[in-house]
Amino acid sequence: GESVGLHLPTLSVQEGDNSIINCAYSNSASDYFIWYKQESGKGPQFIIDIRSNMDKRQGQRVTVLLNKTVKHLSLQIAATQPGDSAVYFCAENDFNKFYFGSGTKLNVKP
Amino acid sequence: DGGITQSPKYLFRKEGQNVTLSCEQNLNHDAMYWYRQDPGQGLRLIYYSQIVNDFQKGDIAEGYSVSREKKESFPLTVTSAQKNPTAFYLCASKKTGPLSGNTIYFGEGSWLTVV
Repeated sequence: GESVGLHLPTLSVQEGDNSIINCAYSNSASDYFIWYKQESGKGPQFIIDIRSNMDKRQGQRVTVLLNKTVKHLSLQIAATQPGDSAVYFCAENDFNKFYFGSGTKLNVKP
Repeated sequence: DGGITQSPKYLFRKEGQNVTLSCEQNLNHDAMYWYRQDPGQGLRLIYYSQIVNDFQKGDIAEGYSVSREKKESFPLTVTSAQKNPTAFYLCASKKTGPLSGNTIYFGEGSWLTVV
C-alpha cells in the first residue's frame, strides 16, 4: 500500500469533476484488491474490488484500474459530489492476509 | 439489518486497567479480524480468527487478547500491558470457503482513549 506517514496526501477537486486516486501496492503475490471509503470517525465502506486476472472493473460512478506490471491501482470517481469527501484507501489480499494503505483524503469543493 | 456491531463507540480507560471491546456479526461469516488504526496510518492487524475456538496473532498482538467462543462474537481485550492503547479499533469479518469472495467488511469502530 501507500507509504505510511502522519500526513495523508490530499486531493482537492471541484464538484462535478472526475477524481483519480492512486495506490501503489507492494506484494506481487496479492491476487485481490479492494477500495474502501472511510468517513471521519466511521468504519471503512467497501466501494469496489478487482481480481488480479482483470485490469479494469466498473461500478456505479467508480472505476478501478489495475496495472500489475508496475503494481499500481487507481480509483476513478466520475462527477465527484460533496458526499464523496472522505479518506480512500486500497487493500491487497494475499491468501488470508490483507494489507492496507494509509489512504488519500479527497476534498470536494462546492 | 445484517452487519457488524461494535460497542462501545467511545471508551475511556485509566492506566493500568483492562478494557474489552465487543464485536458481534450476524453475517454468518467464519473469519473475524481486529485492526488498529492510528491517525495517518494504514490498518494494522491485531488478531484474527478463521473459525470458532481458534485465533492467531497479527502483526501487533502484544498487549491484546481475544476469544472466539461463538461464531458471531470476537471480543478484544486491551490489557494494561499495551503501552499506547489510544487508537481507533476496527472489527471486520469475511466469508471463507472456495465459493466465497474475498471481501472483508468492517464495523463502525470503537474509539479508545487512555486518561
